[in-house]
Amino acid sequence: AQSVTQPDIHITVSEGASLELRCNYSYGATPYLFWYVQSPGQGLQLLLKYFSGDTLVQGIKGFEAEFKRSQSSFNLRKPSVHWSDAAEYFCAVAPESGGSNYKLTFGKGTLLTVNP
Amino acid sequence: DAGVIQSPRHEVTEMGQEVTLRCKPISGHDYLFWYRQTMMRGLELLIYFNNNVPIDDSGMPEDRFSAKMPNASFSTLKIQPSEPRDSAVYFCVSRHAGPNTGELFFGEGSRLTVL
Repeated sequence: AQSVTQPDIHITVSEGASLELRCNYSYGATPYLFWYVQSPGQGLQLLLKYFSGDTLVQGIKGFEAEFKRSQSSFNLRKPSVHWSDAAEYFCAVAPESGGSNYKLTFGKGTLLTVNP
Repeated sequence: DAGVIQSPRHEVTEMGQEVTLRCKPISGHDYLFWYRQTMMRGLELLIYFNNNVPIDDSGMPEDRFSAKMPNASFSTLKIQPSEPRDSAVYFCVSRHAGPNTGELFFGEGSRLTVL
């Protein structure tokens, strides 16, 4: 069964600093990979996704993520964090093919705090 | 589009009572999912429907939970009887069919507290 690990429960950065949120997945083949963001009291919103091709993917709000097959990782990055980026971030994985590719498995999330 | 609409946003009830959560997915979306979010267990997929038909309910915790989708624009998640451990935020989610879209559209959630 697929699984997702987000090693960092909580990260604090200063506004303007760079950010990297870690995500490792466990799956036998190449999965579909996603990053979602959740603001307090809201549902999740898609930041970016990787299906195939270029391993560096760009998303909304200035975020990017890099798929590294050798490390089974899909880390999320942003060069300069804004106070409005404070939220919880979820990495998710889905099988590449088959009917169950609609079933996403989410990590436990990383809470991002941004200091002024 | 108004997005995925869930009701109620907040529900406080007593143990043993029946709880019904409602969802209106985005028009034209073929898939509907019910997720549960707790601090301890994170986001868990409970059940999902394709074209109003339940496809996989393996995540439904026990028989006290049931879900229906009588038509393309409405779904319910029912808990009867409710227990304190059911306290969570329940999300209704919809998406387009097709393997390369991938994006899930979340409602704002229904926060359930069972006393």
